[in-house]
Amino acid sequence: QLQLQESGPGLVKPSETLSLTCTVSGVSLSTSNNHYWGWIRQPPGKGLEWIGSIYYSGTTHYNPSLKSRVTISVDTSKNHFSLRLSSVTAADTAVYYCARHHPQSSSSGWSQGWFDPWGQGTLVTVSS
Amino acid sequence: DIVMTQSPDSLAVSLGERATVNCKSSQSVLYSSSNKNYLAWYQQKPGQPPKLLIYWASTRESGVPDRFSGSGSGTDFTLTISNLQAEDVAVYYCQQYYSTPPTFGQGTKLDFK
Repeated sequence: QLQLQESGPGLVKPSETLSLTCTVSGVSLSTSNNHYWGWIRQPPGKGLEWIGSIYYSGTTHYNPSLKSRVTISVDTSKNHFSLRLSSVTAADTAVYYCARHHPQSSSSGWSQGWFDPWGQGTLVTVSS
Repeated sequence: DIVMTQSPDSLAVSLGERATVNCKSSQSVLYSSSNKNYLAWYQQKPGQPPKLLIYWASTRESGVPDRFSGSGSGTDFTLTISNLQAEDVAVYYCQQYYSTPPTFGQGTKLDFK
């Protein structure tokens, strides 16, 4: 059964870099050529924001609103992928979820598709 | 970015009754080449991640009860929950995947009357 689990520090200081890892079990990232893997966040009590995704080959897609601060990478040998968000502020405080994406052909090439399954999420607080 | 707007923000429905959640996109999410609407619905309960209910606007994910149904096309979509059960109390989100970045509605909180 496919499962995703986020891990990383729950507290990050302003201006520093947030780093999270999503460990995937039940499927090998290196053979998952029909899916992307990515990150979505949810500030406390608020809605959902897509951050970005990665294909097993390393191809990435980022939300333009965060692109200058985001790096997503994959390590197929460890079967996990990671998120780095630099220069964080209090506005980056959120529950961060990793999720498998189901990309679909679209008018602009490939869309990110829907997200399923999701990890349980991890709360990251930005505070000094 | 495509803006997704849900209505209402919250609603209260009696057990056994029908709940209707609306979702409107700022531009069409219908891909003419496939005649498919690039829209999904999720359910989120407190302390849990969102759970996929529906994709392609009306295709139920495996294991989702048939009291959940999706409809609509182009820019206007509806999630209908028939015969409301206690476990359906949650926040519901729509999401478009027609273009990158994918975007979500602000959520609709469903509670009991």
